[in-house]
Amino acid sequence: GAGVSQTPSNKVTEKGKYVELRCDPISGHTALYWYRQSLGQGPEFLIYFQGTGAADDSGLPNDRFFAVRPEGSVSTLKIQRTERGDSAVYLCASSGDRLAGSTDTQYFGPGTRLTVL
Amino acid sequence: AQSVTQPDIHITVSEGASLELRCNYSYGATPYLFWYVQSPGQGLQLLLKYFSGDTLVQGIKGFEAEFKRSQSSFNLRKPSVHWSDAAEYFCAVGAYGNKLVFGAGTILRVKS
Repeated sequence: GAGVSQTPSNKVTEKGKYVELRCDPISGHTALYWYRQSLGQGPEFLIYFQGTGAADDSGLPNDRFFAVRPEGSVSTLKIQRTERGDSAVYLCASSGDRLAGSTDTQYFGPGTRLTVL
Repeated sequence: AQSVTQPDIHITVSEGASLELRCNYSYGATPYLFWYVQSPGQGLQLLLKYFSGDTLVQGIKGFEAEFKRSQSSFNLRKPSVHWSDAAEYFCAVGAYGNKLVFGAGTILRVKS
């Protein structure tokens, strides 16, 4: 079966612009996570969805960042008024295939590399 | 608060030599522990995980890790490293169905 997919793979934008990053989780996975990985660092948690609702958004750095998952599947991370410091790889993960009983392992997508000029 | 420390930023080993990557965690309850590997330009691939039970867990690609509660450690080992193992390795701690907290990673270089 298909893994987690993310689009675009690369996004270059100018400071102040708005960007959307998309994540398609593994089919049937109920939980979806966004992480941000800056150069030379490990991934840092941003937000976690269980179904359609954000169960934990404590990692969002400020109100320029928000994410949605309106139908409990695909999620979009939205960044307003981008800043150079937002440049990073944004990773999406999903978990919770209850049929397989594997609800605790997060499977990651390849990421979207965001560059803010 | 949860935290993960990977003390070694870089490690270089010769091909065929054994490998141990260190990971120490801080977590108030029984932790869920993971090792992921990331090759350049690639996403994170799960190597192995510990949830409960046997403290020595086997993973893919010949890797294993041992959970030691008394030392708050979850070190990754491989008896014989291959050139294709060169990558960055991340240790992570998490709670059920919740966020993962990652270490800063260890870059493994393999000498031929």
